[in-house]
Amino acid sequence: DAGVIQSPRHEVTEMGQEVTLRCKPISGHNSLFWYRQTMMRGLELLIYFNNNVPIDDSGMPEDRFSAKMPNASFSTLKIQPSEPRDSAVYFCASSFDRSPYLYQPQHFGDGTRLSIL
Amino acid sequence: ILNVEQSPQSLHVQEGDSTNFTCSFPSSNFYALHWYRWETAKSPEALFVMTLNGDEKKKGRISATLNTKEGYSYLYIKGSQPEDSATYLCAFMNRDDKIIFGKGTRLHILP
Repeated sequence: DAGVIQSPRHEVTEMGQEVTLRCKPISGHNSLFWYRQTMMRGLELLIYFNNNVPIDDSGMPEDRFSAKMPNASFSTLKIQPSEPRDSAVYFCASSFDRSPYLYQPQHFGDGTRLSIL
Repeated sequence: ILNVEQSPQSLHVQEGDSTNFTCSFPSSNFYALHWYRWETAKSPEALFVMTLNGDEKKKGRISATLNTKEGYSYLYIKGSQPEDSATYLCAFMNRDDKIIFGKGTRLHILP
């Protein structure tokens, strides 16, 4: 079975440009999570969705970050405009959560390594 | 502010020895605790999901316990092998839909 698929694997872009990261969760999974990993702060949850509805977006750093899940098989994380401090590895994860939430393990994608120059 | 602490940050263990490390989390409003294993250049892989006070889970040589009243979980590895070298992460979840990961314990197994 295909796991969580993230694209691109690497992105290098200049400050001020718009960046879009993509995630395809495992088929049948109904929860999707976006994380950012940095040396200083470790793995931080940015936002997560359950049945395409955002549940907690309190980790989204600022208005420059936005995430959407238009359907059960696709999500995007957008940064506009990008800044050098956004450089990090961004992970997407999915799980199948029957009510209550969060009782099932998350399956992580391979991540997108983002460098903002 | 919700805080999840893992200790130690880093650990060197001789091959064949057993070891354990700790995840501390808020003792109120507990919902679930996840343990993940994260090898270098890979993505985190789930080890255990723990939900009840007193839970004990086991997978091969790795086991975990949970104390929600005092806010800690232990991960144990028996007879460490080189392939156990990884970072072990815990993730705390509360009833307000918050998910907080610890910074991990980096385990190095020495041959």
